[in-house]
Amino acid sequence: GAVVSQHPSWVICKSGTSVKIECRSLDFQATTMFWYRQFPKQSLMLMATSNEGSKATYEQGVEKDKFLINHASLTLSTLTVTSAHPEDSSFYICSARAGRVGIHEQYFGPGTRLTVT
Amino acid sequence: GQNIDQPTEMTATEGAIVQINCTYQTSGFNGLFWYQQHAGEAPTFLSYNVLDGLEEKGRFSSFLSRSKGYSYLLLKELQMKDSASYLCAPMDSNYQLIWGAGTKLIIKP
Repeated sequence: GAVVSQHPSWVICKSGTSVKIECRSLDFQATTMFWYRQFPKQSLMLMATSNEGSKATYEQGVEKDKFLINHASLTLSTLTVTSAHPEDSSFYICSARAGRVGIHEQYFGPGTRLTVT
Repeated sequence: GQNIDQPTEMTATEGAIVQINCTYQTSGFNGLFWYQQHAGEAPTFLSYNVLDGLEEKGRFSSFLSRSKGYSYLLLKELQMKDSASYLCAPMDSNYQLIWGAGTKLIIKP
């Protein structure tokens, strides 16, 4: 149980274009989803937290107009990187939390490797 | 501020035992997680401690001392596939996981 999928697993796009990444919880309802970014040999950096049906909460320094997050249902959240630039190239990982009382584990998707040329 | 301290890298031999230590400082505390992350992959959940003491799960055990802000992950009967980074992630008062850079574990035959 507790499987989280991400699509696509990798994407290459040209500078200036937009890329959408999907995150799905396959066998549980995720009231909260998290989006992380990880550069090589660095720690996970939380970008934003999203609760189903409400606006995402962005971490300091993360541009909400550039990284659009939609958590439209209890099993799906999307991250859209708008007008991508080479410095946005990174490993983007989502995680989901079930939201049941006393259950705090975050289950991670397999990640999406974005390369902007 | 919030801080996590883990060794950057450790080396151990196949079949041996290794202990990865973690000290932390957080604003509030709602438990501590250990995750395993292989290179180029997302983290996978290993353990969760919220009370003091040792939690054993197969070859892996995790220990927590809340008063000392200290945890360790113990890996027994090491296998080559255990080569990975191990992330200690305490949860703060907002139920937010705090991430450090992790410990890269290298297993040698």
